[in-house]
Amino acid sequence: DAGITQSPRHKVTETGTPVTLRCHQTENHRYMYWYRQDPGHGLRLIHYSYGVKDTDKGEVSDGYSVSRSKTEDFLLTLESATSSQTSVYFCATQRGGDEETQYFGPGTRLLVL
Amino acid sequence: GNSVTQMEGPVTLSEEAFLTINCTYTATGYPSLFWYVQYPGEGLQLLLKATKADDKGSNKGFEATYRKETTSFHLEKGSVQVSDSAVYFCALSVSGNTPLVFGKGTRLSVIA
Repeated sequence: DAGITQSPRHKVTETGTPVTLRCHQTENHRYMYWYRQDPGHGLRLIHYSYGVKDTDKGEVSDGYSVSRSKTEDFLLTLESATSSQTSVYFCATQRGGDEETQYFGPGTRLLVL
Repeated sequence: GNSVTQMEGPVTLSEEAFLTINCTYTATGYPSLFWYVQYPGEGLQLLLKATKADDKGSNKGFEATYRKETTSFHLEKGSVQVSDSAVYFCALSVSGNTPLVFGKGTRLSVIA
């Protein structure tokens, strides 16, 4: 357990509005990840971070941006939410180095109307 | 590229039945292999892992053996319980500095 919290846990928003999801960890893990989970697609990587201010795109990054100004926080922003971004979003962390295990947060359920 | 293929679900079993969920992988080098479990309404949690060929990971009665010759890491349990109902994900890692590669998940329902 990497002490991962996500906020909000549930959100309903309207198409075209910006949305920011927050992931907070207490274990000082170097790597942080954002995934989305949709039926039939499993988990898909959106963006990840390998250090403060160091981020990279995953397989489904269009329409999303991220920021990491502190080790413990990783923010995911939907600049202009669309209905196709309705999903469950999971944050994960990984210590890195020889430790490959990822630890997951409880998820944020987002509904875009 | 690296990929994981696991059996499609859903899988429905009666309590005390034997469980196998198949997982095969394609990877460069020598990956580590993982099984994660996701209970309803929760995030994923590590179930077991194996870091080299012929290693057996085990936890909560579940087992999986890293088979390099067949590039497989099948999950097994001898007697499932209703509380094992969840989605199971197979995953691989080629280093501690890269994202895990996940399969699509297999939903298991165990009925009393």
